[in-house]
Amino acid sequence: EAGVTQSPTHLIKTRGQQATLRCSPISGHTSVYWYQQALGLGLQFLLWYDEGEERNRGNFPPRFSGRQFPNYSSELNVNALELEDSALYLCASTLEQGAWEPQHFGDGTRLSIL
Amino acid sequence: QQQVKQSPQSLIVQKGGISIINCAYENTAFDYFPWYQQFPGKGPALLIAIRPDVSEKKEGRFTISFNKSAKQFSLHIMDSQPGDSATYFCAATPSGDALNFGKGTSLLVTP
Repeated sequence: EAGVTQSPTHLIKTRGQQATLRCSPISGHTSVYWYQQALGLGLQFLLWYDEGEERNRGNFPPRFSGRQFPNYSSELNVNALELEDSALYLCASTLEQGAWEPQHFGDGTRLSIL
Repeated sequence: QQQVKQSPQSLIVQKGGISIINCAYENTAFDYFPWYQQFPGKGPALLIAIRPDVSEKKEGRFTISFNKSAKQFSLHIMDSQPGDSATYFCAATPSGDALNFGKGTSLLVTP
């Protein structure tokens, strides 16, 4: 069974540009979570999508947005990129929204802002 | 505000020794406590998880101890091996919601 897949693996952008990151959850998983792993800041929650709806949002500005498609894959968009957006962006999926479902992570997209 | 506090930041253990990583939380709504292992260039991989209705869970060489009254939980790695060298994250969440991660512990197991 394929795990969570993310693309691209690496993405290089300049300040002010826009970035789109993609995530395909494990087959059968309907919930997708996005996290940012920046150096020195650990893993911080960005967004949670379930059944196409945004369920929760972390403490990030509105220029971080996303969506979930009918096939449960997801996209994270970051507008007006800033230097501090350089980080590893991780996507995780769970079987369904519910108690104690483990989140399974992909290997992330490394976003570098020049 | 860091909702889950993890210590130590780094740990060096000899092969065969016991690695112990501790975490503490304040939010009593948290009811699921997973531990993740992350190798360089990879995403975090679920290692073991516990619910607050049990005080201990063991899977192979990995054990979680959970103290609900103290709002603390810890990971014990028995017979630590060089292959266990990685970064370990504890996390906590109210069921189904986003994970709140500790800042991570970099473990080095020396031969």
